[in-house]
Amino acid sequence: GAVVSQHPSWVICKSGTSVKIECRSLDFQATTMFWYRQFPKQSLMLMATSNEGSKATYEQGVEKDKFLINHASLTLSTLTVTSAHPEDSSFYICSARDRVNQPQHFGDGTRLSIL
Amino acid sequence: AQTVTQSQPEMSVQEAETVTLSCTYDTSESDYYLFWYKQPPSRQMILVIRQEAYKQQNATENRFSVNFQKAAKSFSLKISDSQLGDAAMYFCAYRDYGGSQGNLIFGKGTKLSVKP
Repeated sequence: GAVVSQHPSWVICKSGTSVKIECRSLDFQATTMFWYRQFPKQSLMLMATSNEGSKATYEQGVEKDKFLINHASLTLSTLTVTSAHPEDSSFYICSARDRVNQPQHFGDGTRLSIL
Repeated sequence: AQTVTQSQPEMSVQEAETVTLSCTYDTSESDYYLFWYKQPPSRQMILVIRQEAYKQQNATENRFSVNFQKAAKSFSLKISDSQLGDAAMYFCAYRDYGGSQGNLIFGKGTKLSVKP
């Protein structure tokens, strides 16, 4: 089956640093990747959608300069949280799909804790 | 805009019994997909079952089945012979059919507990 690898699974860092999260499709070409954020005991909220080779489309209220998304290849997308602060602490999940009407395959998520 | 509503924040079921989780949605589209995802404490998102709106037959995957009522915009999940491993958060999700980015819209989730 289709596998999406997300790394790191857990990161703790000081306020003001930037953190990069990687999302890789291991056995399929991820034409489109999605980044979600999930607060404790809440649902997944879509942050942005990225197509390979194009700029990401951000959801309303998501700061594009704060959450930099790069989707430079068909197997890799990265989310960089710039100058992270404690309010950015959350669980971030990526998903990927190849064709439009194919299911999304999820990574295992990244728990980000900003001290 | 499409919305997904799960009206049961928490549900509980006895092991080996059957439980039904509710989901309603709102859309003006005629073609779309509906999903149920399971999120155990590990927080991995696991696809449980998927339904295409153009199909009248309800989807079934082993102990999991859905009751899809298109006119009522209802999409409930039935879990038969519940097992301890079924304990998790369950999210209902909607997606447009083609012609768009195909992003998922999630409900707020239902936390299912399974009692031994």
